[in-house]
Amino acid sequence: GQQVMQIPQYQHVQEGEDFTTYCNSSTTLSNIQWYKQRPGGHPVFLIQLVKSGEVKKQKRLTFQFGEAKKNSSLHITATQTTDVGTYFCAGRFGGYQKVTFGTGTKLQVIP
Amino acid sequence: EAGVVQSPRYKIIEKKQPVAFWCNPISGHNTLYWYLQNLGQGPELLIRYENEEAVDDSQLPKDRFSAERLKGVDSTLKIQPAELGDSAVYLCASRGGEGTGELFFGEGSRLTVL
Repeated sequence: GQQVMQIPQYQHVQEGEDFTTYCNSSTTLSNIQWYKQRPGGHPVFLIQLVKSGEVKKQKRLTFQFGEAKKNSSLHITATQTTDVGTYFCAGRFGGYQKVTFGTGTKLQVIP
Repeated sequence: EAGVVQSPRYKIIEKKQPVAFWCNPISGHNTLYWYLQNLGQGPELLIRYENEEAVDDSQLPKDRFSAERLKGVDSTLKIQPAELGDSAVYLCASRGGEGTGELFFGEGSRLTVL
């Protein structure tokens, strides 16, 4: 089946350090989205990437979509305690509406 | 603008009992999703609606789970009978017809089966 895997599963960083999570799909994606879920909360949309090799930035967050459209990454520069949460990638396969979530990376930031 | 509304937020039942969850999506959103999220895992799709039509229910355990969206607006997800393994958060999300394709999630309904 169509699966989306993320690594690492957990990451602890000191405040101010950088953080990266990687997302990999077994098959080509139509596009990929990233969501953040705070502890006890629900997933909140961050961004969508559509084009092969696309790079987008949101302040300290940089999102990349691989050339083969099978992988993606989220990089956070100089983490802050407000970055704590679980980051999920979510891929679309073929049809536009079906969204498959990755396994998530839980980020802990140590002040 | 009101977001996706779900109820109840929390539900505790004994195994073999029935339970129902309700979701009201953002006004005008034609696509509605029900996801199941176990602790420490990503949301898993149960069913997706386009208006009132269930277009993807391949992951829905149909022996005990059912869902409906009769008028293409709000939706109900039912479990009967509930099993211990059904303890999870049930998330509802909706998506509009245009824009980034962003899914808007409700707060979720946390089910505990004893």
